[in-house]
Formats: sequence, C-alpha cells, structure tokens
Amino acid sequence: KQEVTQIPAALSVPEGENLVLNCSFTDSAIYNLQWFRQDPGKGLTSLLLIQSSQREQTSGRLNASLDKSSGRSTLYIAASQPGDSATYLCAVRDYNDYKLSFGAGTTVTVRA
Amino acid sequence: DTAVSQTPKYLVTQMGNDKSIKCEQNLGHDTMYWYKQDSKKFLKIMFSYNNKELIINETVPNRFSPKSPDKAHLNLHINSLELGDSAVYFCASSQAGTGINEQYFGPGTRLTVT
Repeated sequence: KQEVTQIPAALSVPEGENLVLNCSFTDSAIYNLQWFRQDPGKGLTSLLLIQSSQREQTSGRLNASLDKSSGRSTLYIAASQPGDSATYLCAVRDYNDYKLSFGAGTTVTVRA
Repeated sequence: DTAVSQTPKYLVTQMGNDKSIKCEQNLGHDTMYWYKQDSKKFLKIMFSYNNKELIINETVPNRFSPKSPDKAHLNLHINSLELGDSAVYFCASSQAGTGINEQYFGPGTRLTVT
C-alpha cells in the first residue's frame, strides 16, 4: 500500500524567502506525481504533474523534482509572496492504479 | 467555464437522513472519482468510475452508493447519515489510459451532520 509523507507539516517564512517542501512515498512504482495547492475552504488546484519518466517540471516560480528510486519529490517556490500562503499537497498515482494517494500536506504561511 | 462542478457546496443535515451530492465534468474525461477529506485534512479515495463502470471501491460503508448515469456525471448518495460522515467530499476527473492522467478537482461539498 502506497504511503505518502510530507515534511514539514507547517512552514512560516518571511516574504522573499525560497520555499522547499518535501514529499516521500514508499512504493517507487509510480505512474506520476502531482502537486496541488489548497486554500482554506476551497478545492484543489493542480500546480505541477511529473510523469514517472521525468526528473522535474517547472511553472513560473515553481519547480518540482522527482527522484523515483529514492521515493522523493521536492517542490521549490522561489521568492515567496504572501499570496503563496496555502496548504500544498503531494499526491502519487501508482502504476497499476487510477487513484491518487495523498500526503497530509504542508501548510505554508508567508509573512509580509 | 467550470471544469468540475459539484452541488451543493454546503450541506447541513441531521443524523439518519439520506442525502445526495452531484458532480459534473465538462472536460470530456472518461474517469471520475470521489475523495473524502476528513477533519485532519487528509484526502482519501472512496470510489472511481471509468466509462460508467465502477473500478475503485475502497473500504467505505455500504451506506455510500455512487451512481454514474453517464461519463460526465458521478453522484454520491449517502443513506442513514452519521456524525462521522461530516467531511468535505471532492469530486475529480481525469482521462485514464496511458496519457498524462492529470486529475482535476471540483470545489468540494462540505457535509455537516448534526
């Protein structure tokens, strides 16, 4: 059974600092990995999707890396802004499955 | 414009009642999902349908019954509601197969059972 862990559970940084969010998973036979953002009381917004054959994906200030063999992914957010404050969720789709297995999330607060 | 929509957004009801949540996607996807987010914010899969056929049925009480009238809709009916059913329920969709299979989520339905 796939287990997804996100560390740290919460993070508070001053505006302008770079953010590093970690995700680890127990079964390396994954199909893809998605990073989501969830604002309080809102739905999930997909930020980046990394296929199992890829090492990283980039979108604007966001960069996600994937090391499948070690079961790790990292989401980097450059030059953080107060608008980046949200909960970030990592989710893994296993190779022979359709569902996503989620981590518990990292709640980020960017202080102005 | 809405890709995945859910109704209602909020649902407050009493124990023992029966309620339904509706989900629709206009992305042309062939696979739809129901996830539950509990009070600790942990998201967990409940059901998935591919082309109107049930393909994932996690350990969920049989009071929960999904129904997919067509590929664009997946509804969730809950019988005899209990306090522990209070949660946020998210619908999602994707195009299955060997493609990217990115999942898109609806805004969620916050169910409160009193």
